[in-house]
Amino acid sequence: GESVGLHLPTLSVQEGDNSIINCAYSNSASDYFIWYKQESGKGPQFIIDIRSNMDKRQGQRVTVLLNKTVKHLSLQIAATQPGDSAVYFCAENMGMTGTALIFGKGTTLSVSS
Amino acid sequence: GAVVSQHPSRVICKSGTSVKIECRSLDFQATTMFWYRQFPKQSLMLMATSNEGSKATYEQGVEKDKFLINHASLTLSTLTVTSAHPEDSSFYICSAQPGLNYGYTFGSGTRLTVV
Repeated sequence: GESVGLHLPTLSVQEGDNSIINCAYSNSASDYFIWYKQESGKGPQFIIDIRSNMDKRQGQRVTVLLNKTVKHLSLQIAATQPGDSAVYFCAENMGMTGTALIFGKGTTLSVSS
Repeated sequence: GAVVSQHPSRVICKSGTSVKIECRSLDFQATTMFWYRQFPKQSLMLMATSNEGSKATYEQGVEKDKFLINHASLTLSTLTVTSAHPEDSSFYICSAQPGLNYGYTFGSGTRLTVV
């Protein structure tokens, strides 16, 4: 079946660097995309979301880019901090209430100081 | 903001016993809740969609007789792992959607260890 996937399982950066985490999705009908951060032993924590009618959305230190042509999603974290170390997942669905999110494989971000 | 409370956070049980996990929406009503399972170093895999007042919808490969879901009220869904085996040891997470414009809220997860 169709699913959301990730290109890189691990990303190591230095504190202060900018991080880019990528995600490929295969369901062209997906309308809503979310990035989550998960720390060990905890539930996913919302970072930022974007709908398919947008190609960019910015939050505090984070930016999500959506390229529907190639079905690609990315999360950019500016001035990465040690506290950003976690596993990051992209998730998608068709944007309808009552439908579950489908998660990608996850990227582990490791930030060294 | 919308909060989902999940209990217990950790549970250890013996093989063959049953374990119940609760998921409560604290400040909103949740007609639908979602249950996920996450094995170490893996992603969240959707197990089932819990619907208040009706039967849950299970994903392919998830045994409905083993993973019993009850959603008897608009604020509570429960997942019971019946006749637990060591291979059921995993991190179970529930989620709910307060409204289309509110995204999804996740519980803190339950670490189940079957010995």
